[in-house]
Amino acid sequence: NAGVTQTPKFQVLKTGQSMTLQCAQDMNHEYMSWYRQDPGMGLRLIHYSVGAGITDQGEVPNGYNVSRSTTEDFPLRLLSAAPSQTSVYFCASSLGLAGNTGELFFGEGSRLTVL
Amino acid sequence: GQSLEQPSEVTAVEGAIVQINCTYQTSGFYGLSWYQQHDGGAPTFLSYNGLDGLEETGRFSSFLSRSDSYGYLLLQELQMKDSASYFCAGQNQAGTALIFGKGTTLSVSS
Repeated sequence: NAGVTQTPKFQVLKTGQSMTLQCAQDMNHEYMSWYRQDPGMGLRLIHYSVGAGITDQGEVPNGYNVSRSTTEDFPLRLLSAAPSQTSVYFCASSLGLAGNTGELFFGEGSRLTVL
Repeated sequence: GQSLEQPSEVTAVEGAIVQINCTYQTSGFYGLSWYQQHDGGAPTFLSYNGLDGLEETGRFSSFLSRSDSYGYLLLQELQMKDSASYFCAGQNQAGTALIFGKGTTLSVSS
């Protein structure tokens, strides 16, 4: 099993450009989420999805869009990149969340730099 | 809302025992999780406490006290490879999202 796969691993953008970070999981997990990680800030939740067709905002959703058309895929779109979006982005999935072990499976991360 | 507080840095020597504390504020609570992250790597799940008490997994143990809104991760027989960041995490009130603390950087020296 590949687990959670993120692409690309590295990306450099110019301010104002748009792009999509891809995330796919092959574990048939209903729950998927996106986090960003900045030095000293820990992991902050951007958006999450509890199943296909259902998405919701996390702690820091501004400037990002998501969709969940299939169980396997959960892409994160940056509509107009800003330097403040320079970060490491992690996609994570789990079978469920409420009341379970709280175990998320993370991808290897996508390192984004916005110039 | 929900917030989790943990120390930013902890240092220790090989073979020692270290405890990383986590206090949380939440209006709903499903349990406390712990994650490890090495530099440049992805977070990996270590343990979960859904009930009060101690959970042990090899050299690592985790503890939860719901009445005190407090938990800790205990690492024993420290090794150099334990140098990493450790995050506590809890679910939001709706149980639909995992919120992380800012992380504790553990440095183990010889």
